[in-house]
Formats: sequence, C-alpha cells, structure tokens
Amino acid sequence: NAGVTQTPKFQVLKTGQSMTLQCAQDMNHEYMSWYRQDPGMGLRLIHYSVGAGITDQGEVPNGYNVSRSTTEDFPLRLLSAAPSQTSVYFCASRKSGSSGNTIYFGEGSWLTVV
Amino acid sequence: GQQLNQSPQSMFIQEGEDVSMNCTSSSIFNTWLWYKQDPGEGPVLLIALYKAGELTSNGRLTAQFGITRKDSFLNISASIPSDVGIYFCAGQLSTGGFKTIFGAGTRLFVKA
Repeated sequence: NAGVTQTPKFQVLKTGQSMTLQCAQDMNHEYMSWYRQDPGMGLRLIHYSVGAGITDQGEVPNGYNVSRSTTEDFPLRLLSAAPSQTSVYFCASRKSGSSGNTIYFGEGSWLTVV
Repeated sequence: GQQLNQSPQSMFIQEGEDVSMNCTSSSIFNTWLWYKQDPGEGPVLLIALYKAGELTSNGRLTAQFGITRKDSFLNISASIPSDVGIYFCAGQLSTGGFKTIFGAGTRLFVKA
C-alpha cells in the first residue's frame, strides 16, 4: 500500500544550492505532477507529466526541472535554490481518462531555503 | 487563468456543530473534488463529484456539484475534534488531461 512516496520529508538548503525531490508511485498511474503549497494560496501546479517521456509546465514552473524516464518516477529538481522556493512540495498521481480523476498525493516535502 | 474562490478561509466551531464551506468559479468544471489535509500530511480525497446537481455523502460529509457547474459545497454534520484540518476544493476542466485547479483551502478548528 505504498501509493505515492516522496523523499526527503524535510530539507534545508542554502541559497544557490541544487537538489532533487524524489517521487515514486506504484499504482501504474500515467499522470504525475508536482505542486507547491504556500500559506493562503492553496496548491499550485509546478510541472506535470501525462506519461513516460512527456512533461509540461504548470502554473509556477520557473526554477524547477522535471523528467519522466519511467512510469513510476517523477523527480523534481531545484537548479539554484532561492528563498522564494521555501514551501511544502507535494507529488501527486492519477490514472488517465475521465474515469480516473482522483488525484493521490504524497505526504509532502518541507523545504526551507536560507 | 482559472481561479477557485473558496470560503470561508477559516472556521472556529464548537464540537457538535454543523459546518458548511463552498467553492465558486467563473469557469465551468467537469469534476469537483473535495480533499482534507491533516497537519503534516498530504491531502486525502473525501468526495468526488462527476455530474451537475450530484449530491454525494461520505459518512457525516455531504457535497454537491452545482447545477451551473461553477460551484460546489461541502457540509460536515455534527463535527468532532478529528475534523480539524484544511479542506480543499478542486475543479477539473473538461479539456486538458490534467488541468486541476485548487482552492486556497478552509482551515477548520473544532473546540471540544
């Protein structure tokens, strides 16, 4: 019953450092995405993927890269961390098609950039 | 871009009271979803709505998909302390495979 697994749970970075948030799902979902959650702003889509080898930008993509080499994994890379990227990050997945609209979230990654 | 207006932003209620929150938008949505987020956890789906006018219950929770397809509400009856958390609405557009818009959330506090 793993579902969507994110690592690390907590991370502190210095400005300018790079890092990768890992995300894996074992439900064979085609769609995967990354959101960030900031106080009073709900969940904002950073990048998403509709299948292996396909990625696209969401609402707030700047400063982040993604890749989707396998169906299971969807890592999010911060290229040069900035304090504005301090946030809680959620990876999510769902099946494709109109019958699979339910989005499943990971437990979140708390990132602080100092 | 599309936006969801979720209200209220926060609610402080007494245990046993009923709660109502809603989301409205200027856009038409194909699906409405309601999620709950406990502190330190990711959002978990409570109710999914797929048709205009649909009324669906999950225990003490009831949600409705508005007739105009531009709004939805969630009611919680007889609240208990474990109802504390952030409730998010989310709308999915009829076009675009993964276009899901989230509201800003309603923070619910329940006093025993």
